[in-house]
Amino acid sequence: EVQLVESGGGLVQPGRSLKLSCAASGFTFSDYYMAWVRQAPTKGLEWVASISYDGGSTYYRDSVKGRFTISRDNAKSSLYLQMDSLRSEDTATYYCTTGELAFAYWGQGTLVTVSS
Amino acid sequence: DVVMTQTPVSLSVSLGNQASISCRSSQSLLHSDGNTYLSWYLQKPGQSPQLLIYLASNRFSGVSNRFSGSGSGTDFTLKISRVEPEDLGVYYCFQHTHLPLTFGSGTKLEIK
Repeated sequence: EVQLVESGGGLVQPGRSLKLSCAASGFTFSDYYMAWVRQAPTKGLEWVASISYDGGSTYYRDSVKGRFTISRDNAKSSLYLQMDSLRSEDTATYYCTTGELAFAYWGQGTLVTVSS
Repeated sequence: DVVMTQTPVSLSVSLGNQASISCRSSQSLLHSDGNTYLSWYLQKPGQSPQLLIYLASNRFSGVSNRFSGSGSGTDFTLKISRVEPEDLGVYYCFQHTHLPLTFGSGTKLEIK
């Protein structure tokens, strides 16, 4: 059974950093692109970043480019999102997701609140 | 950026009736590899999104055959036949043909 378990969320002040993790199991992690999708409170879904199988290619939405870094450790079947210079508009539940031809598998999400 | 326009914003349907949701993209979603990377998701209250349809018209494993997707290019439709109570939630279309990847704004399905 595919499982994605996010961790690392919490309350953080504007301008500070936070690192999210996603532990994957139940599939061959290195065979899949991985992504982060977020959802601000009461809002819709928003793609944040994606990373290729070996981490050699990364893609970001403009609003996080230069502030967020997506990475992976295939030996640990883990995905990460380093978030720097956090802003209030980054407040959201962050989901780890993957799939072959679409986002077939999702974690339960981890809530990040950026507030002073 | 590709804008995904979903209509209606909300939908109230009686049990057993059909529901239809439209999704229009501002650019063609036909990829150079021949695939159309348009998928549909349902987010039930308090849950993570779940995949219903991928490549515009393929039902994901385990998804009821009451759900069907159609369309090509820039116009896509999700149909839900014989609506059941467990179908309530917010439906999103999503394109991953073009960067940045973009979701529609969602359609909230309520049961009358």
